[in-house]
Amino acid sequence: RKEVEQDPGPFNVPEGATVAFNCTYSNSASQSFFWYRQDCRKEPKLLMSVYSSGNEDGRFTAQLNRASQYISLLIRDSKLSDSATYLCVVFRGQAGTALIFGKGTTLSVSS
Amino acid sequence: GAGVSQSPRYKVAKRGQDVALRCDPISGHVSLFWYQQALGQGPEFLTYFQNEAQLDKSGLPSDRFFAERPEGSVSTLKIQRTQQEDSAVYLCASSSGPSGSVYEQYFGPGTRLTVT
Repeated sequence: RKEVEQDPGPFNVPEGATVAFNCTYSNSASQSFFWYRQDCRKEPKLLMSVYSSGNEDGRFTAQLNRASQYISLLIRDSKLSDSATYLCVVFRGQAGTALIFGKGTTLSVSS
Repeated sequence: GAGVSQSPRYKVAKRGQDVALRCDPISGHVSLFWYQQALGQGPEFLTYFQNEAQLDKSGLPSDRFFAERPEGSVSTLKIQRTQQEDSAVYLCASSSGPSGSVYEQYFGPGTRLTVT
């Protein structure tokens, strides 16, 4: 079983839709959590960090449930430019040095 | 300012050839990471440097893979006797802080390696 699991999709939604992605992680010692965005044939870029209290950045809302080891990303009012792969990422902190990535969830927004 | 750069951007190698992939991190960044991203997968950790010290190489898939960062800046990932399963995008990332703390990692554009 992979340490970070995501539904690969694809999610095909019309412009203006609300879409939610989910992610689970298996290592309870994980310290920090992120969503990265990766456009086709481009490098991953940090979209937002995820905090236990939940956090919002414009149309994007991220939630973390440590008890269930579950992370979510909600995108409201989808734009064509939101089409990309969204990677759920976990940082182990002292227990490891690197970011652990999920496979990614592909989103396609159409007009 | 300049981001992370990698060269070459594309490399085609015949099976059995050796390849060398270069990463220029953001100036002053202490930490440097190499990841391997196969088609349809997320990036997977290969190795980590803090300055010139290679502190973690647990992700290197075999002893054909070797990485160095001799002066704590530019890094080279070398793959000897390439195999078809080595075909992937090799991503380099750097961050300003030491690992074990949360600092944003900035990724380069990657080198797409195809082994024929």
